[in-house]
Amino acid sequence: EAGVTQFPSHSVIEKGQTVTLRCDPISGHDNLYWYRRVMGKEIKFLLHFVKESKQDESGMPNNRFLAERTGGTYSTLKVQPAELEDSGVYFCASSPQGFQAFFGQGTRLTVV
Amino acid sequence: GENVEQHPSTLSVQEGDSAVIKCTYSDSASNYFPWYKQELGKGPQLIIDIRSNVGEKKDQRIAVTLNKTAKHFSLHITETQPEDSAVYFCAASRTGRRALTFGSGTRLQVQP
Repeated sequence: EAGVTQFPSHSVIEKGQTVTLRCDPISGHDNLYWYRRVMGKEIKFLLHFVKESKQDESGMPNNRFLAERTGGTYSTLKVQPAELEDSGVYFCASSPQGFQAFFGQGTRLTVV
Repeated sequence: GENVEQHPSTLSVQEGDSAVIKCTYSDSASNYFPWYKQELGKGPQLIIDIRSNVGEKKDQRIAVTLNKTAKHFSLHITETQPEDSAVYFCAASRTGRRALTFGSGTRLQVQP
C-alpha cells in the first residue's frame, strides 16, 4: 500500500512568488492534515480536511495560505505571495476513521 | 489550547542502554498520545501510541507510559541500537479535535 506522497520534495522560490504544494493521502483515508515545522521548532498544525470539507483551519497563519482538497482526494496548499518566514518543512498526514495519522516525507520550502 | 512540553531536547546513550523521553500536556481532555520517529530527510513515522484509558503499552523494545493525573507520558526504549538514532516527537490530541499538538522533539543519538 502506498503511503502519503508529497510533491515537490524541495522548492526554492523568491519572496513574493507563489508556490503550490501537493499531497496525495493514503487511499481511502477521509482525514487529511497539513502541518509545518519552521526553523527546527515543533511541528505545528495548519488545517484538517474531512473528505473535501475543511474541518479545522485554526492553524492557518494568515490569508496568504489557501488549502483545497478536490473531490476529497489529493490536497494542495498554496502560498501566495510567499514571505521569508514561510520557509520550513510542510508535512501532510492522513488518517482513516481512527486517531492514527500517517505522515508524508514533507516538502522543504525555502523562500529567498 | 493544548501545550505539550518535551524533555530532554538531546539525549546521547551508549548502544545497549535504555533511553527515556518525557512529555507533559496541559489539556486534561486530551486522550490520545502518539510518538513519532523522524529520521533525516524523512517524514515523522508513528512508532507507538496510547489512549487515555490505558496506563502502559509495549511493542518489543519500545514502551509508552501514561499518568493522567499528573498529565505526563513517557517513551522508553530498551537495548538501544544505532538505528534508533533519530528525532523523536511526542504529541497529544483529543476526541472532537484531531489536530495533533507536538512537543519540540528529542534528538536521540546512540553511540556504538
